[in-house]
Amino acid sequence: KNQVEQSPQSLIILEGKNCTLQCNYTVSPFSNLRWYKQDTGRGPVSLTIMTFSENTKSNGRYTATLDADTKQSSLHITASQLSDSASYICVVSARNGGSQGNLIFGKGTKLSVKP
Amino acid sequence: DAGVTQSPTHLIKTRGQQVTLRCSPKSGHDTVSWYQQALGQGPQFIFQYYEEEERQRGNFPDRFSGHQFPNYSSELNVNALLLGDSALYLCASSLEVGNSPLHFGNGTRLTVT
Repeated sequence: KNQVEQSPQSLIILEGKNCTLQCNYTVSPFSNLRWYKQDTGRGPVSLTIMTFSENTKSNGRYTATLDADTKQSSLHITASQLSDSASYICVVSARNGGSQGNLIFGKGTKLSVKP
Repeated sequence: DAGVTQSPTHLIKTRGQQVTLRCSPKSGHDTVSWYQQALGQGPQFIFQYYEEEERQRGNFPDRFSGHQFPNYSSELNVNALLLGDSALYLCASSLEVGNSPLHFGNGTRLTVT
């Protein structure tokens, strides 16, 4: 069964600190992996999309890694800010092609950054 | 350039009623997908529309139906509302290509009492 598991479920860190969120998946055939940030009461916003051949991708203070062999991804946030407080959702695409219906969503990691 | 817009933002309905949610995709996008997100959960795929046809459907009952108009906007209809239908309903638009990123609206918060 195609699944995406994220850990931890929630995380509290102090402003300025770094953190790493994990995503493990059992999705086949793999097409791409996406990280989204979802602020409370808002829709998710895309941070990165990585294909099989990419193992690192950065977007400002966000760096995503992908190990397609172990089927693991991580999202590293550097020098956290209060505005980083949000849920971070890992999404894996099960098939390359036009359909978005093969996207498998994780439940997200809720990050709280405290002053 | 407007992103994805959804209306209404909040809605309260009674069990057994029917509801229609609306979505306008990001300019230039031709594909619209609908998701249901329960509190503390990731979004669950309901269905996707492309060229005014339902192209793919998730594991949702027939009470959930939709439509896409020639201008690519879309509606989600839910009949015979149940308490369990209370959730955030997200619309996402994209181009009809596999690695095209989804652009989400801010959702409609539906509460069924």
